[in-house]
Order: sequence, then C-alpha cells, then structure tokens
Amino acid sequence: DQQVKQNSPSLSVQEGRISILNCDYTNSMFDYFLWYKKYPAEGPTFLISISSIKDKNEDGRFTVFLNKSAKHLSLHIVPSQPGDSAVYFCAARVNSGGSNYKLTFGKGTLLTVNP
Amino acid sequence: ETGVTQTPRHLVMGMTNKKSLKCEQHLGHNAMYWYKQSAKKPLELMFVYNFKEQTENNSVPSRFSPECPNSSHLFLHLHTLQPEDSALYLCASSLTLGGGREKLFFGSGTQLSVL
Repeated sequence: DQQVKQNSPSLSVQEGRISILNCDYTNSMFDYFLWYKKYPAEGPTFLISISSIKDKNEDGRFTVFLNKSAKHLSLHIVPSQPGDSAVYFCAARVNSGGSNYKLTFGKGTLLTVNP
Repeated sequence: ETGVTQTPRHLVMGMTNKKSLKCEQHLGHNAMYWYKQSAKKPLELMFVYNFKEQTENNSVPSRFSPECPNSSHLFLHLHTLQPEDSALYLCASSLTLGGGREKLFFGSGTQLSVL
C-alpha cells in the first residue's frame, strides 16, 4: 500500500511557464516532506522541504505548498527552465522519536521542460 | 558530485555469481543507507548503518549482505540473486540519523542486471 503517491508519471511544460508537481499521502503521522530531483545516471539530490507546521516554503524558483487537511503537497517551479527536466520524487517522514530518518518515497514524476 | 561515490556504475551478473557493490562518502557523515529502486516502483529502504552499526534491516532477503567497516564505507555483498533483483541500487549518507531535518546525499547508483 503506497503511502506517498505521485499520480502523474510525467509532465511536459513550456519553458518560462509554471510547472506544478503533485503528491498525495495517506499517513497522517508524516510530519516532514521533501522533494528530491534526479537526473539520468545520477542519484537523487535534495531540492526543498517543508515541515507540517507550515503551509508554504519558498526557495528561489521553487515553492512547496502543503495542504494537511487534503494530505496533499505540490511543488511549483516558476519560471520553468530546460535544465529543470528531471524526475522529481516526493518523500515524507514520520517523526517516531529517534527513528525519524526513514523516508517514504513516491514513484516520481518525469518533468520535461521544452525550449 | 554529491560526495557519495558508488562503484561499479553498471553490473551484470548471473544467478550463481557473487559480487559486491561499494559506496564511499567523503562528507564526514555518520549514517549510511542502501536503497533499491526497481522499475516503476518507489525507492525502497534496505539497510541503515549509524556509526558502523546496523540499525535497520527492512526485511531484506539474506542474499543481500551489507557490510560497513567504517563510517565512510558501505558494501552490499550479493550472492545467488534472482532476476527480479535487477534494479538500481542507491547508496546514501546523512550527517546523523535523526534529531533534525537530515537530508540524504545519494550516490549515482549501481544499475544491476541479474541474468
């Protein structure tokens, strides 16, 4: 049973426009959420995160929104650039005392930004 | 370059072979992880080591045998694997296991094919 779901396997966007990547989760114990980006032949790299006590976190062109009541988060990239083309993974963590390192990942969404 | 190096990048092995995957991190981190990414599946945590001690074995079959001789090196010994074990094996490290918002730093992975 997938606790973190990225229902769109792929997304195609024009350069300069906004990219919106979505992620849904089922475990209400998740208290911290992260987005990782992965280029082909490379490992995932951390992009941005948000704590469950916030509803928005912004870092340059990247903004993550969290809607706890809907158990939904989204990553907005604006403006999108061709170099943003990659697989984006949503991940979530349960704060279970000393074991709050375990991340549950989604399957990823392949973003293609067309010039 | 994330500071986490994995070798080999690609590996093809028969079901009767024994091989090892190697991971080395140059970040001064104390926690190291093995993840598995099968096609069209989320990243799955396999093993966690903290200060060379195994703290997590996520119900991984015994044909996968991890070894962590020190905080900078992590191995995954493989023997009598099955074709369904073909996947991308990712090593990751973090400064500590928990107590904070520890980001994972991933290596580029070893793409394993079992024939």
